[in-house]
Amino acid sequence: DGGITQSPKYLFRKEGQNVTLSCEQNLNHDAMYWYRQDPGQGLRLIYYSQIVNDFQKGDIAEGYSVSREKKESFPLTVTSAQKNPTAFYLCASSIDRRSWGNEQFFGPGTRLTVL
Amino acid sequence: QKEVEQNSGPLSVPEGAIASLNCTYSDRGSQSFFWYRQYSGKSPELIMSIYSNGDKEDGRFTAQLNKASQYVSLLIRDSQPSDSATYLCAVNSLLTTSGTYKYIFGTGTRLKVLA
Repeated sequence: DGGITQSPKYLFRKEGQNVTLSCEQNLNHDAMYWYRQDPGQGLRLIYYSQIVNDFQKGDIAEGYSVSREKKESFPLTVTSAQKNPTAFYLCASSIDRRSWGNEQFFGPGTRLTVL
Repeated sequence: QKEVEQNSGPLSVPEGAIASLNCTYSDRGSQSFFWYRQYSGKSPELIMSIYSNGDKEDGRFTAQLNKASQYVSLLIRDSQPSDSATYLCAVNSLLTTSGTYKYIFGTGTRLKVLA
């Protein structure tokens, strides 16, 4: 089955700790994205990547970092610099960000809570 | 001004009725439009894409697009309690500086179908 997997499903972080959220896709999509969703708010773009070894900041990149060493994988690190990291994190992918018909598909999400 | 606007709801409809969900957008150059369904605690699931003016039907769902009025809607016929969810509108707009596209999400409309 093709799809997007995220792990873990739930994650708890202590103050001052960095944590890494995993995102893997086997859809052969070029583009991958990380969003953050807070209650009552829309999805906000953190980072995106069009190709391997290239990624761009989204609207709220401060306190986050990413890498794209393989086409299938786009991990997100939430650093201690992110002051309010408690949220639902969603990874998505699409065939090509340069396409106007660009449908995005989402993984199941990781819920991060700061203790 | 928000770029994609939706009424947050909740929109309550009786079982078997037609639910009408609306979305307006500000970028007149937007070319593609998407509806996602998001159950509580879950990730968004793509249910409809529409690219040209008019209606597009898929089972009980009909998406309607009016680019002149910058308006896209989703109709759900024969609504069922299982349709109770938050429905997110997304608009794909061209970023002229990079030649790539950016998804912009509305904050969603919560639909409640009453049995």
